[in-house]
Formats: sequence, structure tokens, C-alpha cells
Amino acid sequence: AQKVTQAQTEISVVEKEDVTLDCVYETRDTTYYLFWYKQPPSGELVFLIRRNSFDEQNEISGRYSWNFQKSTSSFNFTITASQVVDSAVYFCALSEKTGRRALTFGSGTRLQVQP
Amino acid sequence: GAVVSQHPSWVICKSGTSVKIECRSLDFQATTMFWYRQFPKQSLMLMATSNEGSKATYEQGVEKDKFLINHASLTLSTLTVTSAHPEDSSFYICSAREGGLAADTQYFGPGTRLTVL
Repeated sequence: AQKVTQAQTEISVVEKEDVTLDCVYETRDTTYYLFWYKQPPSGELVFLIRRNSFDEQNEISGRYSWNFQKSTSSFNFTITASQVVDSAVYFCALSEKTGRRALTFGSGTRLQVQP
Repeated sequence: GAVVSQHPSWVICKSGTSVKIECRSLDFQATTMFWYRQFPKQSLMLMATSNEGSKATYEQGVEKDKFLINHASLTLSTLTVTSAHPEDSSFYICSAREGGLAADTQYFGPGTRLTVL
């Protein structure tokens, strides 16, 4: 069975602060995908990143960066110089690479960026 | 690219009526679509996997007679909530999996907020 844990329920920061959202996962699969999605107040889930289990390179996209560490089963997400528009719920998710490839979501972390 | 639409975006209905929600992949073909349900301040729970031209696969605990899913074409899946009751009120979100190199990424629709009075 797969499981994704996002221990931080809610985080509040002041604009321009850096913030890291934690994600820990469990799976018996040797190959899998990890994802991060953003859900702003409008409700639509926005795809941010997909990471293949065999690719442990960190990734940076603008103010966003992701740190994947297979040894600790973690896939953390850092926002640098946060902005008010970053306020949203962020979900980490895991999927198998074969079969239905359904997503298992974490419980989400609500990020509030204060001006 | 990879745009998924849902219609309607919100619906209010009386108890006992049926409601149909459409999910469309606008610029790609989706052999597989997924339906999720999300309660306020909670995570997304997978309800069913919808495959074009075949019966949907429902998750444990999801009533297939209550939540009818039809995936009639490569760009359209529908979810019908039959004989809706107040406990069915929720945010329903669909996703579609794109083919090609990004075949394992699900793109989500904007969601449908259902309120049953």
C-alpha cells in the first residue's frame, strides 16, 4: 500500500521568507512517480512537478525547488522569497508506474503568506 | 496544453434528484480519467478510474450504483450522482492522463461544487 504524509497542516510566513513543505512517502514499488500540486482558493489543482523515482537530481524552477531523497523517502518543496500569491494548499502525491497509476495524495499543507 | 474542463462548476439540487458532471480533456486524448471527491479542508479521495470504452473501476466503499461513470470518448467522461442526498454534497474533481511523454501526469479540472438541499 502507498502512503504520503505531509506532517505540516498549516504554515504561515511573511512575504519574502523562504518556506519548505515536507513530504514523506511509503511504497513497496521500486519505481514510482512523485508529484506536487497547488490548490489555490479557487479549487483547481495546478500541476507543479513530476519526479521519477530513479531521478534524484534536485530541480529548480524559478522560486520553486524540490529536494528528492530516496534514502529518507522524502520529496520536499521549497519556495524562495515567498509571495502572497503563493498562498494555497499544496499536495504531495505518489503514483505507481504501472497499472492504473492512480494518485495517492497527502493530506495537504495550507500555506499562508502574509504581506 | 493539457487543459481539462469540468461542467458545471457548481450545482445546487434538491434531495432525490440526479446530477451529471462532465469532464473534458480539451487539447489531448485521455484514455484514462479519474474522479476524486474532496471534503472541506481535506485531501482528495479517489472515487473511480474511468477508461474509455470500458466499465469504470471503483474504489472500495464507493457505491457504483450511486455514482455512475461513463467514459464514452477519448475526451469525455461523465459522473452522475443518482438520487442525491445532502451527504453527497462535496467538491468533485476529475483528472485526465495525457498520452505521450507525459503519460504519467494527471491534469485536473477546475472541480464541481455540489450542494444537495
